Amino acid sequence: NAGVTQTPKFQVLKTGQSMTLQCAQDMNHNSMYWYRQDPGMGLRLIYYSASEGTTDKGEVPNGYNVSRLNKREFSLRLESAAPSQTSVYFCASSASTSGHTDTQYFGPGTRLTVL
Amino acid sequence: LAKTTQPISMDSYEGQEVNITCSHNNIATNDYITWYQQFPSQGPRFIIQGYKTKVTNEVASLFIPADRKSSTLSLPRVSLSDTAVYYCLVGSRGRGSTLGRLYFGRGTQLTVWP
Repeated sequence: NAGVTQTPKFQVLKTGQSMTLQCAQDMNHNSMYWYRQDPGMGLRLIYYSASEGTTDKGEVPNGYNVSRLNKREFSLRLESAAPSQTSVYFCASSASTSGHTDTQYFGPGTRLTVL
Repeated sequence: LAKTTQPISMDSYEGQEVNITCSHNNIATNDYITWYQQFPSQGPRFIIQGYKTKVTNEVASLFIPADRKSSTLSLPRVSLSDTAVYYCLVGSRGRGSTLGRLYFGRGTQLTVWP
């Protein structure tokens, strides 16, 4: 079991460029999450998906779009990257079908720098 | 929203017990409290979860008073390998079409010295 995998591990973009962060889990989990982590700010939820085909905004969704392609995969897209989106991005999954009380399993993160 | 507040940092020595407190004054009836540990360049990993009173597992204890407005993570006899950032999470179970609330604290950097 690989758990939660994320690609790429590192990425440097120029302002205005677009990119998609990929996330996949092999635990047959229902819920998947995208967070960003900035120094002194902890983890902030960007988007959440309770099941295939459903997504919900979190605390900081502006500038991002997501796709729950199937039960395994949840991607995060930056259409026009800005320096304020420089951060470490974590994907997570849980068995939960409703709400946020089940254990979340996190990927290793993607470190993104926008110049 | 049940926002959480934690100390930014704590120091301890090997073999001591460490208690990290998280405040969540606006916690709701269906909110649970979960603690995660994060090492550098890794994603957070689950430590313990509770709703009220005391919960204990093989690595930690979690104390939640009756009013549930705070919670305390207790790490017995810490070692150097416990140096990490510890996050308090308040998350609720959704009802029907409501997906529930989720809020991570800003984390507490615990440094254990020899």
